[in-house]
Amino acid sequence: EPEVTQTPSHQVTQMGQEVILRCVPISNHLYFYWYRQILGQKVEFLVSFYNNEISEKSEIFDDQFSVERPDGSNFTLKIRSTKLEDSAMYFCASSLASSLHFGNGTRLTVT
Amino acid sequence: SQQGEEDPQALSIQEGENATMNCSYKTSINNLQWYRQNSGRGLVHLILIRSNEREKHSGRLRVTLDTSKKSSSLLITASRAADTASYFCATDAAGYSTLTFGKGTMLLVSP
Repeated sequence: EPEVTQTPSHQVTQMGQEVILRCVPISNHLYFYWYRQILGQKVEFLVSFYNNEISEKSEIFDDQFSVERPDGSNFTLKIRSTKLEDSAMYFCASSLASSLHFGNGTRLTVT
Repeated sequence: SQQGEEDPQALSIQEGENATMNCSYKTSINNLQWYRQNSGRGLVHLILIRSNEREKHSGRLRVTLDTSKKSSSLLITASRAADTASYFCATDAAGYSTLTFGKGTMLLVSP
């Protein structure tokens, strides 16, 4: 069964550094998402992407965040200058219709 | 906020027992979905119920939706140790496509 893959599985970075989280969505899916989950807390929506542009974004997704689909297969989330509070699991998801298919996440640790 | 809120936060049962988890939300929805998350993994879609449906079954899962009370329940019958996971409800507000998740119910099924 096709799946969403995310790399790396764990990223450690220093505060103020830029990070890029990578995702390969399921190939025929049209909608792409990033969510994050701070340890033990709820899964929070960051951004959705459709037709090569952002369709919705949350308050969390400020100017420090950006997304790209550079080559028709990868979908990336960039955090320009990481903060301690950006430490979380970041999940990529894709969908064709209503139900989302999630990757296994990237654990981002900001020190 | 559109988010669903699950209840209870944690549930511990014996194998063979039924597990019931509840979800409440605040505004009109298009549909409500339930997802499962094993520790350290991504979320997996279980079942979707549309706002005009009242009950849906899938294998050992039974979902109900009461739009007048803005609530849903997920029943897992004849639970197994492998059902141990966190369970999240997710809603999309009428007119929007973004899925908003609750904090989840952590289910522990003991052999």
